[in-house]
Amino acid sequence: DVKVTQSSRYLVKRTGEKVFLECVQDMDHENMFWYRQDPGLGLRLIYFSYDVKMKEKGDIPEGYSVSREKKERFSLILESASTNQTSMYLCASSHGADTQYFGPGTRLTVL
Amino acid sequence: QKEVEQNSGPLSVPEGAIASLNCTYSDRGSQSFFWYRQYSGKSPELIMFIYSNGDKEDGRFTAQLNKASQYVSLLIRDSQPSDSATYLCAVNTLMDSSYKLIFGSGTRLLVRP
Repeated sequence: DVKVTQSSRYLVKRTGEKVFLECVQDMDHENMFWYRQDPGLGLRLIYFSYDVKMKEKGDIPEGYSVSREKKERFSLILESASTNQTSMYLCASSHGADTQYFGPGTRLTVL
Repeated sequence: QKEVEQNSGPLSVPEGAIASLNCTYSDRGSQSFFWYRQYSGKSPELIMFIYSNGDKEDGRFTAQLNKASQYVSLLIRDSQPSDSATYLCAVNTLMDSSYKLIFGSGTRLLVRP
């Protein structure tokens, strides 16, 4: 079974803090993705990566950065958290253009 | 802008009935199509994928694809209250020389006991 894990299920941070969300997959997938999901807006792609040290902007990259130093790990960074970044953050991985498998999600609240 | 459209619902069906969920997509070149189920507060989990025109069955679930009409549907037979969830349609689309999954906003299904 594909396993995608995320570092936290719930996280509460203050405005201006730097926030790290970690994602690890154990299936040797080359592709990894970060989404956020908000009521009424569906899943929106923030960043994705097709290889180690490679990153591509998704639809809403503003205010975020990513890091992929190892194939199994993809980190999402909020350089200076703001209240409009309160959301559910979902990591996913896939092999090629195949099925994306999701982690359990991190519900981030920025106060 | 390449899009995937779903009726947000809720779609309410009685227990034991067939639930029919529909999805249309705009990119005629799309090759693979996915249905995910998402319970409230949880992450999406894959139910089925389909690549070829026609029907694909897996237990109580049947995915139907019509590329000419650009729609994909999911039928759930003998619906159970545990099927109550949001169902996300996703379409793999070539954008900027790489494939991305484009998600619909989901249809909420309620199965009444």
